[in-house]
Amino acid sequence: QVQLVESGGGLVQPGGSLRLSCAASGFTFTDYYMSWVRQAPGKGLEWLSYISSSGSTISYADSVKGRFTISRDNAKNSLYLQMNSLRAEDTAVYYCATGERAIDYWGQGALVTVSS
Amino acid sequence: QSALTQPPSASGSPGQSVTISCTGTSGDVGGYNSVSWYQQHPGKAPKLMIYDVNKRPSGVPDRFSGSKSGNTASLTVSGLQAEDEANYYCASYGGSNNVVFGGGTRLTVL
Repeated sequence: QVQLVESGGGLVQPGGSLRLSCAASGFTFTDYYMSWVRQAPGKGLEWLSYISSSGSTISYADSVKGRFTISRDNAKNSLYLQMNSLRAEDTAVYYCATGERAIDYWGQGALVTVSS
Repeated sequence: QSALTQPPSASGSPGQSVTISCTGTSGDVGGYNSVSWYQQHPGKAPKLMIYDVNKRPSGVPDRFSGSKSGNTASLTVSGLQAEDEANYYCASYGGSNNVVFGGGTRLTVL
């Protein structure tokens, strides 16, 4: 079955950096676009970014453009999100997910807390 | 990239039908047949319920249906069951390689 396991979350100070990883299994990773979506505590879902199966097409939400970088390693069946210049408002659960316009499968999420 | 507009809450009794709306613009909901709906129970990851306006993934009960008219998409849950109580989010392709979510609707089964 499809499994997406995020790692790398934690507590970081404002202005700091963090790199999230997502290990994928149970499906042909190279067939899928992949996305990152986040959810602030008690709030709704916010799409952040997606990357095409080959990595040639990448898109970002305005809220993270220039600060976050999505990437993937198809040899390792892994998705990444490099997050720089973190702000308090970036505090959220970050979900790794398959697809782009419709998100088929979701990981369980990684909590990122930005606080001094 | 403004969020799509959903009512904050909806409710219905077991066995009844309830419809949740999702209003956008001609630049997102109205311009593309790429509306999806997600169900999220507290503390859990979202689950895809509807994609491409009205298609159901394998395993989603046919009690869930989607539609669109102009800039407004709708999710209808028929024959409400207790386990349908959850938060529901719509999403749409927004052009320029962007995706936008709605603010979410809390569905209560009375």
